[in-house]
Amino acid sequence: GQQLNQSPQSMFIQEGEDVSMNCTSSSIFNTWLWYKQDPGEGPVLLIALYKAGELTSNGRLTAQFGITRKDSFLNISASIPSDVGIYFCALIRSGNQFYFGTGTSLTVIP
Amino acid sequence: ETGVTQSPTHLIKTRGQQVTLRCSSQSGHNTVSWYQQALGQGPQFIFQYYREEENGRGNFPPRFSGLQFPNYSSELNVNALELDDSALYLCASRPAMGLTGNTEAFFGQGTRLTVV
Repeated sequence: GQQLNQSPQSMFIQEGEDVSMNCTSSSIFNTWLWYKQDPGEGPVLLIALYKAGELTSNGRLTAQFGITRKDSFLNISASIPSDVGIYFCALIRSGNQFYFGTGTSLTVIP
Repeated sequence: ETGVTQSPTHLIKTRGQQVTLRCSSQSGHNTVSWYQQALGQGPQFIFQYYREEENGRGNFPPRFSGLQFPNYSSELNVNALELDDSALYLCASRPAMGLTGNTEAFFGQGTRLTVV
């Protein structure tokens, strides 16, 4: 089956530091999505990527769609306490089905 | 607030029982999908409904079934509950399928199901 791996599994950083996480798949996909999930909430879309090599920013967040179309990274600059949560990458499979990665848990220490 | 509401928020059931979870999609969204999220895992796709018909299904047994109503709200039914069914069940709604670039799915807060 489809392998969608995220790394690192968890991160503990100081407030103000930059964060980088990535996601790799075993197959080529045309759309990469990054979601954030707060405790007790559903995932919320942060950034969507549609083209290989595409670099997209949303405030302090930047994500890139790898040129091979098998990977993506998400960077967060100048982290703040509300960045705490679990970050998921997701792909869209046939039939518009979303396939989620294993998640990266982020803890920001004030 | 995404406009997607799920009920109930929490539920405790006994093994072997049946459960129905409900989802009201965001206004204007006619596609609803359901996900199971076990503790520490990412959401796993269960199935998707578009205009009241199931049009995609993940790797879940037939005892997981669903409905979508004319107002695009949806139900997830699980029969013969097992302990491993304990999870957060998420509903997501999207605008009409097939629109170029229109891929954002709006998730509800989920229903936390505990099977004992």
